Amino acid sequence: GQSLEQPSEVTAVEGAIVQINCTYQTSGFYGLSWYQQHDGGAPTFLSYNALDGLEETGRFSSFLSRSDSYGYLLLQELQMKDSASYFCAVRDKNQAGTALIFGKGTTLSVSS
Amino acid sequence: GAVVSQHPSWVICKSGTSVKIECRSLDFQATTMFWYRQFPKQSLMLMATSNEGSKATYEQGVEKDKFLINHASLTLSTLTVTSAHPEDSSFYICSARLTGQGRYGYTFGSGTRLTVV
Repeated sequence: GQSLEQPSEVTAVEGAIVQINCTYQTSGFYGLSWYQQHDGGAPTFLSYNALDGLEETGRFSSFLSRSDSYGYLLLQELQMKDSASYFCAVRDKNQAGTALIFGKGTTLSVSS
Repeated sequence: GAVVSQHPSWVICKSGTSVKIECRSLDFQATTMFWYRQFPKQSLMLMATSNEGSKATYEQGVEKDKFLINHASLTLSTLTVTSAHPEDSSFYICSARLTGQGRYGYTFGSGTRLTVV
Protein backbone atom coordinates (compact mmCIF):
# COMPACT_ATOMS: atom_id res chain seq x y z
CA GLY A 1 0.00 0.00 0.00
CA GLN A 2 0.85 3.63 -0.10
CA SER A 3 1.05 6.25 2.64
CA LEU A 4 1.93 9.93 2.45
CA GLU A 5 2.56 12.33 5.29
CA GLN A 6 2.34 16.08 5.08
CA PRO A 7 1.66 18.84 7.62
CA SER A 8 -1.99 19.56 8.24
CA GLU A 9 -1.74 23.35 8.29
CA VAL A 10 0.61 26.13 7.28
CA THR A 11 0.11 29.87 7.67
CA ALA A 12 2.02 32.67 6.00
CA VAL A 13 1.70 36.27 4.89
CA GLU A 14 1.51 37.70 1.42
CA GLY A 15 4.84 37.85 -0.35
CA ALA A 16 6.40 35.15 1.81
CA ILE A 17 7.81 31.77 0.81
CA VAL A 18 6.33 28.54 2.08
CA GLN A 19 7.56 24.97 1.84
CA ILE A 20 5.18 22.03 2.23
CA ASN A 21 6.92 18.74 2.87
CA CYS A 22 5.76 15.28 1.95
CA THR A 23 7.20 11.93 2.91
CA TYR A 24 5.90 8.80 1.32
CA GLN A 25 5.99 5.04 1.54
CA THR A 26 5.14 3.11 -1.59
CA SER A 27 5.46 -0.42 -2.87
CA GLY A 28 6.46 0.97 -6.26
CA PHE A 29 7.36 4.54 -7.13
CA TYR A 30 6.14 6.28 -10.25
CA GLY A 31 6.68 9.90 -9.36
CA LEU A 32 5.36 12.47 -6.90
CA SER A 33 2.67 14.97 -7.88
CA TRP A 34 1.27 18.05 -6.23
CA TYR A 35 -2.29 19.30 -6.49
CA GLN A 36 -4.06 22.42 -5.31
CA GLN A 37 -7.68 22.40 -4.22
CA HIS A 38 -9.80 25.38 -3.30
CA ASP A 39 -12.86 24.89 -1.13
CA GLY A 40 -15.59 23.15 -3.08
CA GLY A 41 -13.46 22.74 -6.16
CA ALA A 42 -11.68 19.96 -7.96
CA PRO A 43 -7.95 19.36 -7.54
CA THR A 44 -5.79 21.11 -10.08
CA PHE A 45 -2.38 19.87 -11.09
CA LEU A 46 0.61 21.90 -9.98
CA SER A 47 3.77 19.89 -10.45
CA TYR A 48 5.27 16.45 -10.97
CA ASN A 49 8.66 14.93 -10.18
CA ALA A 50 9.72 11.59 -11.52
CA LEU A 51 13.43 12.10 -10.95
CA ASP A 52 15.46 13.68 -8.16
CA GLY A 53 15.83 17.41 -8.21
CA LEU A 54 13.88 20.59 -8.56
CA GLU A 55 11.10 21.35 -11.03
CA GLU A 56 10.18 25.00 -11.38
CA THR A 57 6.89 26.29 -12.74
CA GLY A 58 6.49 29.98 -12.17
CA ARG A 59 6.00 30.78 -8.49
CA PHE A 60 5.72 27.07 -7.66
CA SER A 61 8.60 24.62 -7.48
CA SER A 62 8.71 21.02 -6.43
CA PHE A 63 11.61 18.93 -5.23
CA LEU A 64 12.12 15.20 -4.97
CA SER A 65 14.66 12.97 -3.26
CA ARG A 66 13.87 9.35 -4.03
CA SER A 67 16.54 8.02 -1.69
CA ASP A 68 14.84 9.86 1.19
CA SER A 69 11.29 9.18 -0.03
CA TYR A 70 10.77 12.88 0.39
CA GLY A 71 9.57 15.80 -1.60
CA TYR A 72 8.37 19.32 -1.08
CA LEU A 73 6.36 22.02 -2.77
CA LEU A 74 7.76 25.53 -2.61
CA LEU A 75 5.44 28.45 -3.07
CA GLN A 76 7.04 31.85 -3.57
CA GLU A 77 5.66 35.38 -3.57
CA LEU A 78 2.54 34.16 -1.83
CA GLN A 79 -0.76 35.73 -2.77
CA MET A 80 -4.11 35.62 -1.01
CA LYS A 81 -5.46 33.42 -3.80
CA ASP A 82 -2.91 30.75 -2.85
CA SER A 83 -4.98 30.01 0.26
CA ALA A 84 -6.10 26.47 -0.47
CA SER A 85 -5.38 22.85 0.34
CA TYR A 86 -2.30 21.25 -1.17
CA PHE A 87 -1.96 17.51 -1.67
CA CYS A 88 1.00 15.39 -2.57
CA ALA A 89 0.11 12.25 -4.47
CA VAL A 90 1.71 9.11 -5.81
CA ARG A 91 0.53 6.60 -8.35
CA ASP A 92 -0.73 3.24 -7.16
CA LYS A 93 -0.43 0.59 -9.81
CA ASN A 94 -2.90 -2.23 -9.37
CA GLN A 95 -4.61 -4.66 -11.62
CA ALA A 96 -7.42 -2.27 -12.43
CA GLY A 97 -5.40 0.78 -13.31
CA THR A 98 -3.02 3.38 -12.00
CA ALA A 99 -4.86 5.63 -9.60
CA LEU A 100 -3.51 8.63 -7.74
CA ILE A 101 -3.29 8.19 -3.99
CA PHE A 102 -3.36 11.46 -2.08
CA GLY A 103 -1.81 12.60 1.15
CA LYS A 104 -4.07 14.04 3.83
CA GLY A 105 -3.51 17.55 2.55
CA THR A 106 -2.01 20.76 3.89
CA THR A 107 -4.26 23.75 4.41
CA LEU A 108 -2.39 26.94 3.54
CA SER A 109 -3.74 30.19 4.89
CA VAL A 110 -2.26 33.37 3.46
CA SER A 111 -2.95 36.60 5.29
CA SER A 112 -2.27 40.20 4.34
CA GLY B 1 -8.35 20.01 -23.78
CA ALA B 2 -8.76 16.80 -21.78
CA VAL B 3 -11.91 17.88 -20.00
CA VAL B 4 -14.04 15.65 -17.82
CA SER B 5 -17.55 17.01 -17.37
CA GLN B 6 -19.20 15.92 -14.13
CA HIS B 7 -22.90 16.32 -13.36
CA PRO B 8 -24.66 17.26 -11.25
CA SER B 9 -22.43 19.69 -9.39
CA TRP B 10 -24.61 19.41 -6.32
CA VAL B 11 -27.62 17.34 -5.32
CA ILE B 12 -29.84 17.03 -2.27
CA CYS B 13 -31.77 13.82 -1.84
CA LYS B 14 -33.88 12.10 0.77
CA SER B 15 -32.65 9.13 2.77
CA GLY B 16 -33.35 5.87 1.00
CA THR B 17 -33.31 7.27 -2.51
CA SER B 18 -30.66 6.75 -5.17
CA VAL B 19 -28.53 9.35 -6.88
CA LYS B 20 -26.64 9.02 -10.14
CA ILE B 21 -23.49 11.00 -10.88
CA GLU B 22 -22.17 11.19 -14.43
CA CYS B 23 -18.69 11.85 -15.72
CA ARG B 24 -18.11 12.38 -19.42
CA SER B 25 -14.79 12.79 -21.14
CA LEU B 26 -15.39 15.50 -23.71
CA ASP B 27 -12.40 15.40 -26.02
CA PHE B 28 -10.68 12.14 -25.28
CA GLN B 29 -11.47 8.52 -24.58
CA ALA B 30 -11.27 7.55 -20.94
CA THR B 31 -10.48 3.87 -20.81
CA THR B 32 -10.17 4.08 -17.05
CA MET B 33 -12.05 6.31 -14.64
CA PHE B 34 -11.31 6.70 -10.96
CA TRP B 35 -13.92 7.68 -8.40
CA TYR B 36 -13.00 9.50 -5.21
CA ARG B 37 -14.91 10.60 -2.13
CA GLN B 38 -13.89 13.53 0.03
CA PHE B 39 -15.33 14.41 3.42
CA PRO B 40 -14.93 17.99 4.70
CA LYS B 41 -11.36 18.93 5.57
CA GLN B 42 -10.13 15.48 4.56
CA SER B 43 -8.25 13.97 1.69
CA LEU B 44 -9.54 12.45 -1.51
CA MET B 45 -10.09 8.76 -0.87
CA LEU B 46 -10.11 6.41 -3.82
CA MET B 47 -13.36 4.47 -3.93
CA ALA B 48 -13.07 2.48 -7.11
CA THR B 49 -11.47 2.13 -10.50
CA SER B 50 -13.65 1.50 -13.50
CA ASN B 51 -12.51 0.21 -16.85
CA GLU B 52 -14.69 0.51 -19.92
CA GLY B 53 -16.63 -2.64 -20.53
CA SER B 54 -15.68 -4.44 -17.34
CA LYS B 55 -16.64 -4.53 -13.69
CA ALA B 56 -15.27 -1.85 -11.42
CA THR B 57 -12.60 -2.63 -8.86
CA TYR B 58 -13.50 -1.33 -5.42
CA GLU B 59 -11.14 -0.30 -2.65
CA GLN B 60 -11.28 -2.09 0.64
CA GLY B 61 -14.19 -0.95 2.75
CA VAL B 62 -16.25 0.45 -0.14
CA GLU B 63 -19.56 -1.36 -0.59
CA LYS B 64 -19.92 -2.36 -4.21
CA ASP B 65 -23.64 -2.93 -3.87
CA LYS B 66 -24.12 0.56 -2.52
CA PHE B 67 -21.90 2.45 -4.94
CA LEU B 68 -22.73 1.12 -8.37
CA ILE B 69 -20.30 2.05 -11.07
CA ASN B 70 -20.98 1.67 -14.76
CA HIS B 71 -18.46 2.40 -17.50
CA ALA B 72 -20.34 1.35 -20.59
CA SER B 73 -18.53 3.57 -23.07
CA LEU B 74 -15.16 5.22 -23.49
CA THR B 75 -16.68 8.62 -22.76
CA LEU B 76 -19.11 7.95 -19.93
CA SER B 77 -18.77 6.57 -16.43
CA THR B 78 -21.50 6.77 -13.81
CA LEU B 79 -21.59 6.34 -10.06
CA THR B 80 -24.94 5.57 -8.46
CA VAL B 81 -25.29 5.91 -4.71
CA THR B 82 -28.10 3.53 -3.83
CA SER B 83 -30.29 3.84 -0.77
CA ALA B 84 -28.43 6.94 0.28
CA HIS B 85 -28.06 7.80 3.96
CA PRO B 86 -26.87 10.99 5.64
CA GLU B 87 -23.44 9.44 6.20
CA ASP B 88 -23.06 9.24 2.41
CA SER B 89 -23.13 13.03 2.23
CA SER B 90 -19.80 13.92 0.73
CA PHE B 91 -17.98 15.40 -2.25
CA TYR B 92 -17.60 12.86 -5.05
CA ILE B 93 -15.02 13.43 -7.79
CA CYS B 94 -14.14 11.44 -10.87
CA SER B 95 -10.77 11.40 -12.54
CA ALA B 96 -9.30 10.02 -15.73
CA ARG B 97 -5.72 9.26 -16.54
CA LEU B 98 -4.43 10.83 -19.70
CA THR B 99 -2.22 8.66 -21.83
CA GLY B 100 -0.82 9.07 -25.29
CA GLN B 101 -1.16 11.83 -27.87
CA GLY B 102 1.13 14.05 -25.83
CA ARG B 103 -1.20 14.10 -22.87
CA TYR B 104 -0.03 13.11 -19.45
CA GLY B 105 -1.24 13.17 -15.91
CA TYR B 106 -4.74 13.09 -14.62
CA THR B 107 -7.77 15.25 -15.19
CA PHE B 108 -10.60 15.67 -12.71
CA GLY B 109 -14.27 16.37 -12.94
CA SER B 110 -15.57 19.40 -11.08
CA GLY B 111 -17.05 17.26 -8.35
CA THR B 112 -20.53 16.57 -7.02
CA ARG B 113 -21.61 17.75 -3.58
CA LEU B 114 -24.13 15.18 -2.29
CA THR B 115 -26.28 16.03 0.70
CA VAL B 116 -28.62 13.34 2.02
CA VAL B 117 -31.37 14.57 4.31
